Amino acid sequence: GENVEQHPSTLSVQEGDSAVIKCTYSDSASNYFPWYKQELGKGPQLIIDIRSNVGEKKDQRIAVTLNKTAKHFSLHITETQPEDSAVYFCAASIGGKLIFGQGTELSVKP
Amino acid sequence: EADIYQTPRYLVIGTGKKITLECSQTMGHDKMYWYQQDPGMELHLIHYSYGVNSTEKGDLSSESTVSRIRTEHFPLTLESARPSHTSQYLCASSSLGGGNTEAFFGQGTRLTVV
Repeated sequence: GENVEQHPSTLSVQEGDSAVIKCTYSDSASNYFPWYKQELGKGPQLIIDIRSNVGEKKDQRIAVTLNKTAKHFSLHITETQPEDSAVYFCAASIGGKLIFGQGTELSVKP
Repeated sequence: EADIYQTPRYLVIGTGKKITLECSQTMGHDKMYWYQQDPGMELHLIHYSYGVNSTEKGDLSSESTVSRIRTEHFPLTLESARPSHTSQYLCASSSLGGGNTEAFFGQGTRLTVV
């Protein structure tokens, strides 16, 4: 069936290091790939998204790459800060629905 | 800040009770969604709607039902709550906009059935 796989499930980095989260999707027709950040007690919020006609997108310390052939996309956070600690979700638009990955709990240690 | 609201934020209710979780958005979005978020974090789509009078079941089977009588309102109802319904429920909305646009989430309703 349609699914999105996300790894790792937990990630701990030292402040200032980079963090990378990877996702794969099953439906080759998917053409929209957003990333969400969820802080404790809140709903997920969009941090960056990419469409299938673009291979890479960057917004300050956050970047996303997309490999349509391999059906995988990644989130890169550089110069991590303690306030980056949260749960991150990737998603793929499949048949008009947003299907989410399993989530990655990122912990940035000062 | 997204203009999508869920009430209540927290609800503790006894088994067998009927409950309705409210979700409203003021952005004029056509698409609305309900996700169930388990303790392991994963978000499961349980219902979605493309507009007024449109409702579809998501990928995770759910005993809940939804209605979409007004564009801004997408309530979720459980006719008879059970402990297995204990979870976090998240509502979201997005514009139709040619297909794929940002989904805005509410803060969620944490439901506990005792």
